[in-house]
Amino acid sequence: QKEVEQNSGPLSVPEGAIASLNCTYSDRGSQSFFWYRQYSGKSPELIMFIYSNGDKEDGRFTAQLNKASQYVSLLIRDSQPSDSATYLCAVKGGSYIPTFGRGTSLIVHP
Amino acid sequence: DGGITQSPKYLFRKEGQNVTLSCEQNLNHDAMYWYRQDPGQGLRLIYYSQIVNDFQKGDIAEGYSVSREKKESFPLTVTSAQKNPTAFYLCASSIVGVNTEAFFGQGTRLTVV
Repeated sequence: QKEVEQNSGPLSVPEGAIASLNCTYSDRGSQSFFWYRQYSGKSPELIMFIYSNGDKEDGRFTAQLNKASQYVSLLIRDSQPSDSATYLCAVKGGSYIPTFGRGTSLIVHP
Repeated sequence: DGGITQSPKYLFRKEGQNVTLSCEQNLNHDAMYWYRQDPGQGLRLIYYSQIVNDFQKGDIAEGYSVSREKKESFPLTVTSAQKNPTAFYLCASSIVGVNTEAFFGQGTRLTVV
């Protein structure tokens, strides 16, 4: 059973701070990694994806991948109240089927 | 506008009834998926299809059925055998491949009454 683990939270950070969201996965054959944001009652929307070890930056968001440690993270700089949502980590391997974690709830308070 | 359309947005099912959730996409994607989400939980895979006229069970297929007669459509039937169907159901599609993202419909919230 392929597993994707996330701390369910909630993770509470003050406005303007850096939020760090973490995800580990069990399948060493995993090749691509996705971060989705889901607002309450809505469907997930893609924030970022990463395929190679290292960092990938897009605006206020940075994804970090360490395949040796089977670990992927998402950093959100200058967090805003509008960033308050559940963040889902998804992993894909040779089957091409995305496997999702349970998500981490982020609360950004003014 | 390209996208995925799920209908209805809200659905109420009586005990012992079968209901069908619709999912249509115009993104020309070969792969389509059905996920179930319970409160505070992640997405659990029910069924997936990577080509027309073929589909595979996911992790929680019991009590559900699907068909894939057209590339654009992947309806999900929740049968009376599914004892706890109340959940948020999400349909997604993607290009078949490892480095491709999944696009989601707006979801259907099913409630047993």
